[in-house]
Amino acid sequence: GAVVSQHPSRVICKSGTSVKIECRSLDFQATTMFWYRQFPKQSLMLMATSNEGSKATYEQGVEKDKFLINHASLTLSTLTVTSAHPEDSSFYICSAREATQPQHFGDGTRLSIL
Amino acid sequence: KNEVEQSPQNLTAQEGEFITINCSYSVGISALHWLQQHPGGGIVSLFMLSSGKKKHGRLIATINIQEKHSSLHITASHPRDSAVYICAVGWWGKLQFGAGTQVVVTP
Repeated sequence: GAVVSQHPSRVICKSGTSVKIECRSLDFQATTMFWYRQFPKQSLMLMATSNEGSKATYEQGVEKDKFLINHASLTLSTLTVTSAHPEDSSFYICSAREATQPQHFGDGTRLSIL
Repeated sequence: KNEVEQSPQNLTAQEGEFITINCSYSVGISALHWLQQHPGGGIVSLFMLSSGKKKHGRLIATINIQEKHSSLHITASHPRDSAVYICAVGWWGKLQFGAGTQVVVTP
């Protein structure tokens, strides 16, 4: 079945650093990728939608300069958390889909900012 | 108020029992998804429904579009079914998620 690989699975870093998370579709062309954030005991919240080759569309309240999304190819999207602070600590998960097919989810990245 | 409501929030069952999780939504949708999230966080898509009923192994999902309601059933539950089950409704790709139902199946 379709597989989405997300890397890294866990990252711990100091406040002020930037962190890049990769999301790859392994056996299909991901025309659309989605980035979600999940705080403990809460629902997943959509952060942004990215279509290959175009700028990401951010949800209300999500800072586009803080969370940089690049979807440069049909198999790779990256989320960079710039100048991360403790309040950015969360579980980030991506999903990808080809055309109108169902979304396939990555395993997520647990980000801890000290 | 969340536009996707799940019940119950938590559920404990003994191995072999029949489990039902409910999802109600208040927005127009193109599809409804049932997802399974394991303790490590990874998410598996179980079903995508736009009408009727789907079955996969011991899992059954139903949806009533008129009533804006869906159910996920687990027959002959097993400890490995322990996870958080999440209902998500979509409008052409963008998903809104319920809060999830924590299911624990004891041996």
